[in-house]
Amino acid sequence: KAGVTQTPRYLIKTRGQQVTLSCSPISGHRSVSWYQQTPGQGLQFLFEYFSETQRNKGNFPGRFSGRQFSNSRSEMNVSTLELGDSALYLCASSNWRGQGTSGNTEAFFGQGTRLTVV
Amino acid sequence: AQSVTQLDSQVPVFEEAPVELRCNYSSSVSVYLFWYVQYPNQGLQLLLKYLSGSTLVKGINGFEAEFNKSQTSFHLRKPSVHISDTAEYFCAVRTMNTGFQKLVFGTGTRLLVSP
Repeated sequence: KAGVTQTPRYLIKTRGQQVTLSCSPISGHRSVSWYQQTPGQGLQFLFEYFSETQRNKGNFPGRFSGRQFSNSRSEMNVSTLELGDSALYLCASSNWRGQGTSGNTEAFFGQGTRLTVV
Repeated sequence: AQSVTQLDSQVPVFEEAPVELRCNYSSSVSVYLFWYVQYPNQGLQLLLKYLSGSTLVKGINGFEAEFNKSQTSFHLRKPSVHISDTAEYFCAVRTMNTGFQKLVFGTGTRLLVSP
């Protein structure tokens, strides 16, 4: 069974540009979460999707957005890039089945996308 | 809100020695607890998890952790480390009963194993 796949692995962008990162979850997983990892702030939660709906959002500016498609693949977008957006962006999927089902799930992470803003 | 504290930013240890990485958490609701490992330029790999049941949890690569509710701790231990255990280790919590998959992470502990 393939793991969580994130593309691209590395990306270099210029300040002011926008970027889209992609995440394909493990087959059958409908829950996808995104995290930003930086040396200064550590691992911070960005957002969480389940069945194409955003369920939870972290404390990030509106320049950070995401979506999930019907096949559970997810994308996140960062507009008007700033130098401080340079980070490793991690995607995780889980097999949570929705409200009323067991929360005994674990998150599986992808290799991440390393974004450098210059 | 939840928070996780990993007091040791770096732990140096010799090969074959035992190690303990400390994790304390704060939460007003019940949580699930996790330890993840990250190797350079890689994502996070789950080492072990506490979801319910026995408070002593065994994970991969010979690691184990003990959930102590009264001390709100979830320390990670290994009786004998290898050079290959050199990596960054993250403790994380997730709230029970909400269905939210959001993980709250500690700042990480870098384990440095030398020969």
